[in-house]
Parts: sequence; structure tokens; C-alpha cells
Amino acid sequence: GQSLEQPSEVTAVEGAIVQINCTYQTSGFYGLSWYQQHDGGAPTFLSYNGLDGLEETGRFSSFLSRSDSYGYLLLQELQMKDSASYFCAVQGSARQLTFGSGTQLTVLP
Amino acid sequence: DAGVIQSPRHEVTEMGQEVTLRCKPISGHDYLFWYRQTMMRGLELLIYFNNNVPIDDSGMPEDRFSAKMPNASFSTLKIQPSEPRDSAVYFCASSLTQGAMETQYFGPGTRLLVL
Repeated sequence: GQSLEQPSEVTAVEGAIVQINCTYQTSGFYGLSWYQQHDGGAPTFLSYNGLDGLEETGRFSSFLSRSDSYGYLLLQELQMKDSASYFCAVQGSARQLTFGSGTQLTVLP
Repeated sequence: DAGVIQSPRHEVTEMGQEVTLRCKPISGHDYLFWYRQTMMRGLELLIYFNNNVPIDDSGMPEDRFSAKMPNASFSTLKIQPSEPRDSAVYFCASSLTQGAMETQYFGPGTRLLVL
């Protein structure tokens, strides 16, 4: 099976940089994804890492180290609208995703 | 594209009643997933389909839950009889097989409250 760990809460101020870490244990691994979910909304895809290294998409970047079973999501130039929950998800066998418990990011003015 | 469509958006029912949740995936997508989200248990995969065929239902909590996908554009998740502990947000998601990367598109969810 799969298990993932990520911090439950992170707080930062507007304009700052924040990193959300995710460690995982899995019996099969294809890649690590990140999803964003605003209160009352649905999870939406942010980023995917299938290979080691950094993937950049605008203000968001995601990193993966397969040897360390570790990844992170980096959010730069934080904006108030970035306040949301962020989930890492392991893609194991087939197309299945196992989600972490989520990190609640609060951006303060 | 309209995205994944779910109905109803909100459902309030009494314990013992049957509840049916509906989902229309994105046209052309070949995978469909049903998730349940609660504060205590997070986002849990209940069941998923590939080309309308159930692949893994190991996440379905018990026999009271059943899911069907009669065609590529429609799926249902049924709870019979419902219990208060079934109160949660139920999401449907769909995806398209395109290389190794799995990107799932979630519907807006159905907020279920069982009294």
C-alpha cells in the first residue's frame, strides 16, 4: 500500500516563498502529483513529477527525489488567493492516486 | 468542455434512505473515479472504472455502497441504506490515458448529509 506525510498547516505572508514537503512510502511508484483545493471547492491539478528534479509552472515548482521518497511544492510570490489546501498524491499501479492528508496554507496580508 | 458534472450538488436525507449520486465524466476520458472526503479520513478512493469496467472497488466501505457505469458518459454511486457516518463530500473524477502521467479532473462534488 501507500502512505504519505505532509504538514497539516503552513502560514506565510503575501509575497513570501513557502515550501510544502511530502514524504511517501509506496509499493509501486509512477510519479508524485500536487493538487490544490480551495474551501468548498474541488481538487485541481497543479503539478506532476515522474522523474527526479524540479518542474516549474509559473509561480509554482515541484521537486522529486525518488531515492529519498520525498518531494515538495514550492510556491513563490505568495498571493492571498493561494490560501487553500495542498495535497500530494502518489501514482502507484495503473492510474490510481493515493492522496496525502493535505496541508492547509494560510497567506496573511 | 463542461468539465466533470455531478448531481445533486447537495443532498440531505434521513438515515435508512437510499441515496444516488450521479456523475458525467469529461467526454473522451476513459477512467472514472469516485472519492469520498471527510475531515477525519481525508480524500479516499472508493472505486474506479476503466472503459466502463470496474477495476478496483477495494475502497468501497461496505455492501451498502455500490457503483455502476452503464456507459462512457454516466456513472452512479448508490448508498442503501444510508447512515449518518456516510455524511461527506463525494467527488467524481475522470482522466484520459495519455502516457505515464495521471491527471485527474474532479467534479464539484456532492455534499451529503445523513441525519
